[in-house]
Amino acid sequence: AQTVTQSQPEMSVQEAETVTLSCTYDTSENNYYLFWYKQPPSRQMILVIRQEAYKQQNATENRFSVNFQKAAKSFSLKISDSQLGDTAMYFCAFMKRSNAGKSTFGDGTTLTVKP
Amino acid sequence: GAGVSQSPSNKVTEKGKDVELRCDPISGHTALYWYRQRLGQGLEFLIYFQGNSAPDKSGLPSDRFSAERTGESVSTLTIQRTQQEDSAVYLCASSLGRSGGGSVRTDTQYFGPGTRLTVL
Repeated sequence: AQTVTQSQPEMSVQEAETVTLSCTYDTSENNYYLFWYKQPPSRQMILVIRQEAYKQQNATENRFSVNFQKAAKSFSLKISDSQLGDTAMYFCAFMKRSNAGKSTFGDGTTLTVKP
Repeated sequence: GAGVSQSPSNKVTEKGKDVELRCDPISGHTALYWYRQRLGQGLEFLIYFQGNSAPDKSGLPSDRFSAERTGESVSTLTIQRTQQEDSAVYLCASSLGRSGGGSVRTDTQYFGPGTRLTVL
């Protein structure tokens, strides 16, 4: 079974600064996907960024980027130029490519961006 | 286009009553998922539908929980004889699904706003 660990229950960052959220996972699979989702107080889960395990290049989406270390099974999310609207709970998720039906989620990191 | 929608957004019920939660996936998405999220926790997989294949029910916590899906459209999650521990947000997600061949694009899940269930 896969496990996803987010070791930082809460984090805070000053507006315009950079913050990194950590995520580690455990799997024996070689082909899989990793995702970061954002869940603001509205409850809507929003896809932030995704990574295919076979790609060595780290995914980027505007101010969001990941540091994917496959050997270390680490998938951290970096948010640059933090904005007040980035305040939310962030979830890391793992999905086996062979079994797309199930995603395993971490317990989340609550990020607060301070003005 | 329209995203995943769920109804009701909030449901308060008494212990022992049955409840039905509805999910409308994104049009054209063949795969549909239900998750449960307890307060302050991550998402717990419940059930997965892919096209006309038999659903993966391995995450359903008890036989009080069941779900149906009509073709590749609406799904209903039913909880019978609700208990207080069933109180949670129930999230539905959909994806393009395996008819697309299998890639991060077809397997990426898009979520609805959830139904907050409170069992008194």
